[in-house]
Amino acid sequence: DAGVIQSPRHEVTEMGQEVTLRCKPISGHNSLFWYRQTMMRGLELLIYFNNNVPIDDSGMPEDRFSAKMPNASFSTLKIQPSEPRDSAVYFCASREGWEAFFGQGTRLTVV
Amino acid sequence: AQSVTQPDIHITVSEGASLELRCNYSYGATPYLFWYVQSPGQGLQLLLKYFSGDTLVQGIKGFEAEFKRSQSSFNLRKPSVHWSDAAEYFCAVGAGNDYKLSFGAGTTVTVRA
Repeated sequence: DAGVIQSPRHEVTEMGQEVTLRCKPISGHNSLFWYRQTMMRGLELLIYFNNNVPIDDSGMPEDRFSAKMPNASFSTLKIQPSEPRDSAVYFCASREGWEAFFGQGTRLTVV
Repeated sequence: AQSVTQPDIHITVSEGASLELRCNYSYGATPYLFWYVQSPGQGLQLLLKYFSGDTLVQGIKGFEAEFKRSQSSFNLRKPSVHWSDAAEYFCAVGAGNDYKLSFGAGTTVTVRA
């Protein structure tokens, strides 16, 4: 398996634009997580899916953030409109049991 | 809710020397404990985990960690570091049926020649 695949690896966008981050989890994993990593706040859990269903989105910072998982092999995290303070590395992780496997992340820069 | 503290933000160690990274957790029962490593520009990779049983666990890349319930600690050790061990290390705790992993702030390890 190629592991958790995220795209794009880097994204630079202007404030106010819509940004969509993509994630392909490891086949067979039934849990998927989106994390955000910043110097100031470290790793923050944004949202958790189990069997494609959002279980807990309490970490999503604002209504500007939304996430979907239309099927077991694909998830998106959307920010609309984006703001400079959204600049961070966004990680997707999938899990079967307690071992989480992380993607390489998407480095988002909002200017 | 569970939480994790990594007291050391940054550690510098000479190549070949031993390394110990501290991790303290807060949780009322026996937690599930993890150490992850993050190399620059990469995602997090699991080094080792503790669920139950032997309190000394072996992981990948020559790392080991010891669970000490009395000290609420799960410190990571390596007897002899290599330059490739320079990275950021995260301790994490999970508990019971709670799906969430709580991560520490991380410790950056620099290896000098």
